[in-house]
Amino acid sequence: GEDVEQSLFLSVREGDSSVINCTYTDSSSTYLYWYKQEPGAGLQLLTYIFSNMDMKQDQRLTVLLNKKDKHLSLRIADTQTGDSAIYFCAHGSGNTGKLIFGQGTTLQVKP
Amino acid sequence: DTAVSQTPKYLVTQMGNDKSIKCEQNLGHDTMYWYKQDSKKFLKIMFSYNNKELIINETVPNRFSPKSPDKAHLNLHINSLELGDSAVYFCASSGGQVRGEQYFGPGTRLTVT
Repeated sequence: GEDVEQSLFLSVREGDSSVINCTYTDSSSTYLYWYKQEPGAGLQLLTYIFSNMDMKQDQRLTVLLNKKDKHLSLRIADTQTGDSAIYFCAHGSGNTGKLIFGQGTTLQVKP
Repeated sequence: DTAVSQTPKYLVTQMGNDKSIKCEQNLGHDTMYWYKQDSKKFLKIMFSYNNKELIINETVPNRFSPKSPDKAHLNLHINSLELGDSAVYFCASSGGQVRGEQYFGPGTRLTVT
């Protein structure tokens, strides 16, 4: 299957850490991705991780991959109001560049 | 210096009409995509072209017809518009160093009344 599941909503206080979770069913993907969509805009690649890695850190972002449980998470440290957006987990499918997206997690950051 | 642009940004039309959405990318990418995002923000791929050749054609009604005159352009024509076609349509392109990195346009919000 190609399903990607995410929780729909997360609310945090400014300065706290945010953790957005994702589960997927297709274990053949070489890469897994996190995309960000700000209001009224298209998606933008935030970060990605190879399937043979457990963790990737990029400034305030930490991606954790548990391949056995098919679980991907995105941790945002010191969350800012500008981080308020919808975050999509995605994985590649096949050799055509097709991406399968989760339904997106809306992150609300309160001042 | 817009990377992926779409026109129009908003499109309001009546059921039964035919409309087109245009997309252009200036990134030199070989592959372009059309996605549909519904009211619940669910994003689903519709079509993909690589160097003007159709490579992805998901289960989409025949009323939707993509056209790629060259690798920098991918247009979407929709015939006999229905209420259920109301959504935001995103164009994207890829071809950079990171496999799976797609550059999205700003979207076209289509409202069918």
